[in-house]
Amino acid sequence: RKEVEQDPGPFNVPEGATVAFNCTYSNSASQSFFWYRQDCRKEPKLLMSVYSSGNEDGRFTAQLNRASQYISLLIRDSKLSDSATYLCVVDTGRRALTFGSGTRLQVQP
Amino acid sequence: ETGVTQSPTHLIKTRGQQVTLRCSSQSGHNTVSWYQQALGQGPQFIFQYYREEENGRGNFPPRFSGLQFPNYSSELNVNALELDDSALYLCASSPKRGGAQETQYFGPGTRLLVL
Repeated sequence: RKEVEQDPGPFNVPEGATVAFNCTYSNSASQSFFWYRQDCRKEPKLLMSVYSSGNEDGRFTAQLNRASQYISLLIRDSKLSDSATYLCVVDTGRRALTFGSGTRLQVQP
Repeated sequence: ETGVTQSPTHLIKTRGQQVTLRCSSQSGHNTVSWYQQALGQGPQFIFQYYREEENGRGNFPPRFSGLQFPNYSSELNVNALELDDSALYLCASSPKRGGAQETQYFGPGTRLLVL
C-alpha cells in the first residue's frame, strides 16, 4: 500500500465549478500535511498547509481528518489557471516529504 | 520564484555512465533535500543534507550519493546509470534543520534521460 494515495483523475470541470480532492495516508504518526500544486513540466509549489482545525485561503479550503487519515482540498469558483496537478504531501517525521502521485485538474471554458 | 537554482536543466546519458547534478539553495537556507520524480508519479525523497552532513535518506541504492558545500549548495551524484533513473530530479531548500514541517522550496529541476 502506498503511504499517500490520491485519485489520479483527471477531473474535468467547467469554469466556476466547485471541485474536491481527497487523499489518504497510511502512517498514523504523520505530523504535518500540505497541498502542493505542480504545473506541467514545472516544480511543485506549496499551495497551503493543512491544519487539524481546517483552513481556508481564498477559494481554497483544506481539511484534515486524523481519525480517518484523510486530507481534502476544496476549490471553489474554479478558474482556468487552476488547471494543474495537485499533490497531497505528508510529513512522516523522517525529515522527508512523502508525496502522493497527484490529482490532475483540467478546468474548461 | 523560489531562489533555488539547479543545473543543468536537461541531460542525456547512456546506461552505465555517471552524472552529477547541482543545486544552489535559497539564501539563508542551510538544508537541502533531493527528490526523484518519475513521469506520472509524485516526487520521491532521495536524501537530505544539513550543514554538510547527510540528515536522512530514502529508499535509494548507494549509487545515489550527495554532497553539501560550506555555502550550502549541493550535488547529487548517480553512478552506473540505469534506464529507470530517467526522471526529473528536484532539489528543495529549507531554512532550518530537516523537520519537514518547515516549508521546502523547490528548484526547477533537472530532467535526466538515460538511453
